[in-house]
Amino acid sequence: QQQVKQSPQSLIVQKGGISIINCAYENTAFDYFPWYQQFPGKGPALLIAIRPDVSEKKEGRFTISFNKSAKQFSLHIMDSQPGDSATYFCAASKSSGSARQLTFGSGTQLTVLP
Amino acid sequence: NAGVTQTPKFQVLKTGQSMTLQCAQDMNHNSMYWYRQDPGMGLRLIYYSASEGTTDKGEVPNGYNVSRLNKREFSLRLESAAPSQTSVYFCASSDRATGELFFGEGSRLTVL
Repeated sequence: QQQVKQSPQSLIVQKGGISIINCAYENTAFDYFPWYQQFPGKGPALLIAIRPDVSEKKEGRFTISFNKSAKQFSLHIMDSQPGDSATYFCAASKSSGSARQLTFGSGTQLTVLP
Repeated sequence: NAGVTQTPKFQVLKTGQSMTLQCAQDMNHNSMYWYRQDPGMGLRLIYYSASEGTTDKGEVPNGYNVSRLNKREFSLRLESAAPSQTSVYFCASSDRATGELFFGEGSRLTVL
């Protein structure tokens, strides 16, 4: 049972273009929505995160758009660069005591062409 | 500035063999996690430990056991490895204030 659905599976963008990755979730109890970036041979690292009380969060070239009613959120990478080539995972979680159990999407492999 | 350290980085096992993946964090985090990563499946939670002395099952716990040895260390054991356990395993710890997960670099396990 996949609680967080991510698309597309892969994405190729020209340098300077906009990369858009979409996620949809089912559990309305989720209250934290992070995006993780993973380079080959490395562990995922937090890129940006949002909570459902805001509709958008921007950090540099990276923006999360959040639509609570549609249960969807997306990552926009503006002015995409070859160094952004990586696998991106969306995730969602609800607080469970003192631990947060993240449910991850299936990942998007982004390639930015020079 | 080690963060989360996993050992070994690579391991090949035969079906039925046992092994333990070790994980240690130096960030004084209370919570620690074990995930597995498979192509097209994202990362799936195997077990987690909210605090020292406690462990709980995640999404895919079958075939695994864990031990929270102390606040720093959280190990994952495969008692009788199966080919379906071929995967990349990630250990993580989390900052209680922000919920951010910090991952190790992964352990690539192949079961023949």
